Amino acid sequence: AQSVSQHNHHVILSEAASLELGCNYSYGGTVNLFWYVQYPGQHLQLLLKYFSGDPLVKGIKGFEAEFIKSKFSFNLRKPSVQWSDTAEYFCAVNVWSGGGADGLTFGKGTHLIIQP
Amino acid sequence: GAGVSQSPSNKVTEKGKDVELRCDPISGHTALYWYRQRLGQGLEFLIYFQGNSAPDKSGLPSDRFSAERTGESVSTLTIQRTQQEDSAVYLCASQLAGWDEQYFGPGTRLTVT
Repeated sequence: AQSVSQHNHHVILSEAASLELGCNYSYGGTVNLFWYVQYPGQHLQLLLKYFSGDPLVKGIKGFEAEFIKSKFSFNLRKPSVQWSDTAEYFCAVNVWSGGGADGLTFGKGTHLIIQP
Repeated sequence: GAGVSQSPSNKVTEKGKDVELRCDPISGHTALYWYRQRLGQGLEFLIYFQGNSAPDKSGLPSDRFSAERTGESVSTLTIQRTQQEDSAVYLCASQLAGWDEQYFGPGTRLTVT
């Protein structure tokens, strides 16, 4: 079965710092990759996704992620974080098996705190 | 348009009681998923409905858990004889088609005392 690893469970940064959150998955077949974000008191929402094509994908609020197939990685980046980026970030993978796509497999999440 | 809704938003129940959680997906979305999020953990896939196909129940943790969906509309997740380890946030998501983005509801926070 596939798995998703997020290496940083808690990250604390100051405003304007650069951000990179690591994500690795363990599946060698066709995958779709996602980053979801959960702001305090809100429900999960999509930040960005990779299906095919350009491995560098851009999402909302200045976030981007790069799919590196050889490393099974999909790291999330933002050049300059803001206090409003404080949230829980989840990496997820969706694989194709047999007759269709399975449910998302999520990492355990990274709790990001931005200090003003 | 309306997003995914779930009810109740919070449920406190005594150990051993049955609970039923409801999910209303986005209209027209053929796929529906249930996930569980325990405190400090990632989301755990439970069950997946796609159109009129047999559901993928591979994520259900025990036979105390079951779910139904009527056509491409409402789904209910039932937990029988609840245990304290069932305490979690139960999330529902719907999807237009197999490879698309999943849209999540606000979740039901279940506390078993």
